[in-house]
Amino acid sequence: DTEVTQTPKHLVMGMTNKKSLKCEQHMGHRAMYWYKQKAKKPPELMFVYSYEKLSINESVPSRFSPECPNSSLLNLHLHALQPEDSALYLCASSHGSGRAGAKNIQYFGAGTRLSVL
Amino acid sequence: SQQGEEDPQALSIQEGENATMNCSYKTSINNLQWYRQNSGRGLVHLILIRSNEREKHSGRLRVTLDTSKKSSSLLITASRAADTASYFCATAGSNAGGTSYGKLTFGQGTILTVHP
Repeated sequence: DTEVTQTPKHLVMGMTNKKSLKCEQHMGHRAMYWYKQKAKKPPELMFVYSYEKLSINESVPSRFSPECPNSSLLNLHLHALQPEDSALYLCASSHGSGRAGAKNIQYFGAGTRLSVL
Repeated sequence: SQQGEEDPQALSIQEGENATMNCSYKTSINNLQWYRQNSGRGLVHLILIRSNEREKHSGRLRVTLDTSKKSSSLLITASRAADTASYFCATAGSNAGGTSYGKLTFGQGTILTVHP
């Protein structure tokens, strides 16, 4: 199984809502990532988890709150978002250890298309 | 310019033609990877070339790496309409700290359109 599954596929929320994005992988990967991607732009790294611990936070506003409940799951909790936060949110995973991990090949989910009204 | 600049930004060709995309980067790297993204979908890893390699092939893909010029190219031969997508290069930094995860720095991407 080489899949990273993201839910929901689409999400529309108001600026006062609280919602969560979910990501799951069953490849035994120990590193998981959240990216934000605007139209016609490359993905921008938001967070990296390694062995369920937050290892990189790219100065992301606190209205985005990541959580890694276990090695297969990654959540992104959203609260009080702004319209400019509308984007495609991508989750990815990689081996995170050993020779395979050193290559840092990342496997991406299909993304959640988020619209903030 | 930013790490991982790509050119051209957009490329439009006919089916059967070859497509070449270029990528430049600034810092030392462990490897350089190419990813493909169909419209509004996730990225798919295509090919990886290590910093000590100069050329690599995979099916219709050919990647070159010139570390002296900090540049790479991706050649897709005999293109098909199904190759229509955005293509991103991504660099994995050389890591003296010993961690085996971390940032991929993505280029701006090339939008490839292959007309049937």
